[in-house]
Amino acid sequence: GIQVEQSPPDLILQEGANSTLRCNFSDSVNNLQWFHQNPWGQLINLFYIPSGTKQNGRLSATTVATERYSLLYISSSQTTDSGVYFCAVEQGVRNQGGKLIFGQGTELSVKP
Amino acid sequence: DTEVTQTPKHLVMGMTNKKSLKCEQHMGHRAMYWYKQKAKKPPELMFVYSYEKLSINESVPSRFSPECPNSSLLNLHLHALQPEDSALYLCASSQRRTGELFFGEGSRLTVL
Repeated sequence: GIQVEQSPPDLILQEGANSTLRCNFSDSVNNLQWFHQNPWGQLINLFYIPSGTKQNGRLSATTVATERYSLLYISSSQTTDSGVYFCAVEQGVRNQGGKLIFGQGTELSVKP
Repeated sequence: DTEVTQTPKHLVMGMTNKKSLKCEQHMGHRAMYWYKQKAKKPPELMFVYSYEKLSINESVPSRFSPECPNSSLLNLHLHALQPEDSALYLCASSQRRTGELFFGEGSRLTVL
């Protein structure tokens, strides 16, 4: 099956710093999402980005599908950005409820 | 606010109990999912329902029994669970066109 690798596994930042999280995947995909899991466990959908670039406030993401990687950029980090960031990909047949495979996550801690 | 609602938020049960987790979505999605997440690990897919029919069962033990009464509701019936089944159980639904996944807040289960 498809492999999803995220780096770095852990990251500690000072408030206000910028960071880049990386997701590599081993095969072509038709769905790629970035999630933030907050300390209470909720998975918050950040980006649906199987290809291209998107921005939402201080966050942006880029997926280069031909090279099988995606990047999540966090600028001017805040303590509320702390938590685990997951990349998840899907190869299944779209529209029929496919299988989203998660990477191991990057645990981010932003210090005040 | 999440548009996927899970109840209960917390559940403690004994190994001989029967309980159910419930999930509801009102986004018109036709695929719904159960994921299991242990501490410090990524979510793992358990079941997928597509158009109210079970389409994926990831070899989950029969003590977990899913049910999809209609396109908005998804249940997970629990019976004779083991302490190692203690975990965060996440429900999700997805758009038909893109497969973009949206998660509920999760039900944190403890089996004594």
